[in-house]
Amino acid sequence: AQKVTQAQTEISVVEKEDVTLDCVYETRDTTYYLFWYKQPPSGELVFLIRRNSFDEQNEISGRYSWNFQKSTSSFNFTITASQVVDSAVYFCALSEARSRKLIFGQGTTLQVKP
Amino acid sequence: KAGVTQTPRYLIKTRGQQVTLSCSPISGHRSVSWYQQTPGQGLQFLFEYFSETQRNKGNFPGRFSGRQFSNSRSEMNVSTLELGDSALYLCASSLSSAYYNEQFFGPGTRLTVL
Repeated sequence: AQKVTQAQTEISVVEKEDVTLDCVYETRDTTYYLFWYKQPPSGELVFLIRRNSFDEQNEISGRYSWNFQKSTSSFNFTITASQVVDSAVYFCALSEARSRKLIFGQGTTLQVKP
Repeated sequence: KAGVTQTPRYLIKTRGQQVTLSCSPISGHRSVSWYQQTPGQGLQFLFEYFSETQRNKGNFPGRFSGRQFSNSRSEMNVSTLELGDSALYLCASSLSSAYYNEQFFGPGTRLTVL
């Protein structure tokens, strides 16, 4: 069965701090994709990144970086020098080649204080 | 390029009534998926349509149904509403039904059942 766990329900940091959002997944499929989405207060989910199960290279995009480790079934997301605009709910999600359903974690609410 | 649009944005119904929600995908996208978001259950997959056919279904009762039209627009229907159906219903579109496609989400329809 596929499952995504985001153990951190809420995180609060002060602006300019670095913050890491954890994501652990379970799957029996060898072919899958992992995603991160951001949901700002407006409610619309915004796609951030996807990573396939055969590509363990880390990714960096500006202040955002992602660390994918198959050995620990984790796909963690780090925001460097956080800003108030980063305040949102962040979701990690898994899509297996077999089931083709996008399964989300419970989400992590990030609050960045000025 | 216009994003995913959902109508109506807000809806208030009473128990026992039925409701129809509408979703217009991004132009050129042929896959539409529906999700239910609640504080308790998080984001849950309802179903996916591609080329007017339901390709995938989540674990929801038969009161939840949907359809897709030839122009890829989709509707979902909930009959005999229950209090627990109060949620944010999100529609997402993607180019195809492939598991690796990123999905683009609409702003959602907030349904309140009284």
